[in-house]
This record gives sequence, structure tokens and C-alpha cells, in this order.
Amino acid sequence: AQTVTQSQPEMSVQEAETVTLSCTYDTSENNYYLFWYKQPPSRQMILVIRQEAYKQQNATENRFSVNFQKAAKSFSLKISDSQLGDTAMYFCAFMKTGTASKLTFGTGTRLQVTL
Amino acid sequence: KAGVTQTPRYLIKTRGQQVTLSCSPISGHRSVSWYQQTPGQGLQFLFEYFSETQRNKGNFPGRFSGRQFSNSRSEMNVSTLELGDSALYLCASSSGTGGAPGELFFGEGSRLTVL
Repeated sequence: AQTVTQSQPEMSVQEAETVTLSCTYDTSENNYYLFWYKQPPSRQMILVIRQEAYKQQNATENRFSVNFQKAAKSFSLKISDSQLGDTAMYFCAFMKTGTASKLTFGTGTRLQVTL
Repeated sequence: KAGVTQTPRYLIKTRGQQVTLSCSPISGHRSVSWYQQTPGQGLQFLFEYFSETQRNKGNFPGRFSGRQFSNSRSEMNVSTLELGDSALYLCASSSGTGGAPGELFFGEGSRLTVL
């Protein structure tokens, strides 16, 4: 079974600053996908970024980028130029290849962006 | 394009009762998955349906069941409710086809309170 660990329950960052959210995972699988999802207060969860394990290049989506270290089983999310709208719960998630839609989530990091 | 719609948004039941939750996926999406979100256990995968067939199942007791209709709408049912079933139940839809997992689009959830 897979496990996903997010060791930072809460974080705070000032607007325009950069913040990094940590995620580690444990799996014996070689083929899998990793995701970061964002859940704003009382709103739908949305996909922020995803990474295919077979790709060495780190994924980026505008202000969001990841640092994927496969050997260390680490998958951190960097948010640059933080905005007030980034305030949300962020979940790291794992999906084994071939198990479409079956995500294993971490416990989440609550990010507060302040003025 | 309409998003994922879940009904009802809020409901209160008593122990021993049963409940049915509904999810209408994004038009054209054939995969619907269900997740339970609680403060204690976090986000946990319940099951996934694709073209009316259960394709994946999480580790939940048989009291939790689901089905999918020919129009891809899905329902989940919880029988003999327990206090611990109080949770936010999230539905997610995706195209569900192809080798790589498609993006999951989540609904706003159905918040169930069991008294």
C-alpha cells in the first residue's frame, strides 16, 4: 500500500513571497503519478499540478512548480509570487499507474497568504 | 460547460438510517469516483465507476455501495449509518480513458451529519 505524508499542517506566507510545501511518499511501485490539489475554503478541490514518475523533468504550471526527487520519494510544491487567492488546503496525492481515479492523499497543508 | 454537481449539499440523518447521495459528472465524462473526507482520516477513496461498472474499490465496509447509470450519473448509498460516517463526501469525474490518468474534476461535496 502507498502512503503520502505532509509534515506541515499549516504554513503562512506573505503576498508576493515564495513558499514550499513538502510531501514525501512511500511506494514499491515504479510507475505512478503524483499530484498537488488545492481546496479553497468551501470550494471545490482543483488540480494544481501533476508529475509523471517516469519523467525526470520537474513539472511547472505558471507560478507553481515541483521538485520531484524519485529516489528520495519526495515531491514538494513551490508557489512563487504568492497571491491571496492561493489561500487554501493543499493536498499531495499519489496514483498508481493503471488505477485511474484512485488517489491516495496526504493529510494536507493549510496555507495562509497574508498581506 | 457545467461542472460536477452533487446533491444534496447538506443533510442530517440519525444512526441506523440510510442515505443516498447523487453525482452528475461533467458532460462526456464516463468515470465517477467517490471520496470521503473527515478531519480524522482525511481524504479516502471509496470507489470508482466507469461505464456502469465498478472499476476500483477502497477499503470501506459493505455498508457503502454505489452505482452508475447509463448517462454516467452516479449514486452512492450508505446503509445503517454510524456516527463515524459523518463526513464530506466528494465526487470526482474524469474522462477515464487513455493510458495516462485524466484530470479529476471534483464537486463541492455532500456534507453528511449523523446524529
